[in-house]
Amino acid sequence: EPEVTQTPSHQVTQMGQEVILRCVPISNHLYFYWYRQILGQKVEFLVSFYNNEISEKSEIFDDQFSVERPDGSNFTLKIRSTKLEDSAMYFCASILAGTSGSLGETQYFGPGTRLLVL
Amino acid sequence: EDQVTQSPEALRLQEGESSSLNCSYTVSGLRGLFWYRQDPGKGPEFLFTLYSAGEEKEKERLKATLTKKESFLHITAPKPEDSATYLCAVPVVNYGGSQGNLIFGKGTKLSVKP
Repeated sequence: EPEVTQTPSHQVTQMGQEVILRCVPISNHLYFYWYRQILGQKVEFLVSFYNNEISEKSEIFDDQFSVERPDGSNFTLKIRSTKLEDSAMYFCASILAGTSGSLGETQYFGPGTRLLVL
Repeated sequence: EDQVTQSPEALRLQEGESSSLNCSYTVSGLRGLFWYRQDPGKGPEFLFTLYSAGEEKEKERLKATLTKKESFLHITAPKPEDSATYLCAVPVVNYGGSQGNLIFGKGTKLSVKP
């Protein structure tokens, strides 16, 4: 069964360093998302991406964050200068757009990358 | 403001003891309500999508139902392997009519003891 994959599973970094989190969405999916979950808290939306551009972003997704789809399969989240409060699980998700677009379609999530900023 | 509230926060059951989890929502124009299961340190695993009041869906020991204001996840005769956090989420609709982000509830942490 097709699934969303993410690498690395764990990442430890020093404050101020850049990190790139990678995702391979399900192959025929068209809409892509990043979420994060701080330990013990809700899953929070970061950014959505469609047709090679950002569709929407949350207040969390500031200038330190960027997303890219460098080729036909990968979808990346870059944090330019990590802060302690960026420590969280980061999830990638994707949607297969139906005949009426993406509305109501199921978002499938990857296993996540646990980021720890020291 | 769109919101999703889940209760209880935690639920402890004995194996075989049936119960229900609640998800109440306030959104302008529901475009689906999603239930996910999340195991510790893992990503949300899709369970069900419900679209309209009165709709029900079942999978093994789980049954999800939807009204105009809330959804229930009924667990019948649970087993220890059903222990997980169950998340409820609703989608935001973008101005262009596409699906935006999901708004999640805090989840219900279910523990089933043998």
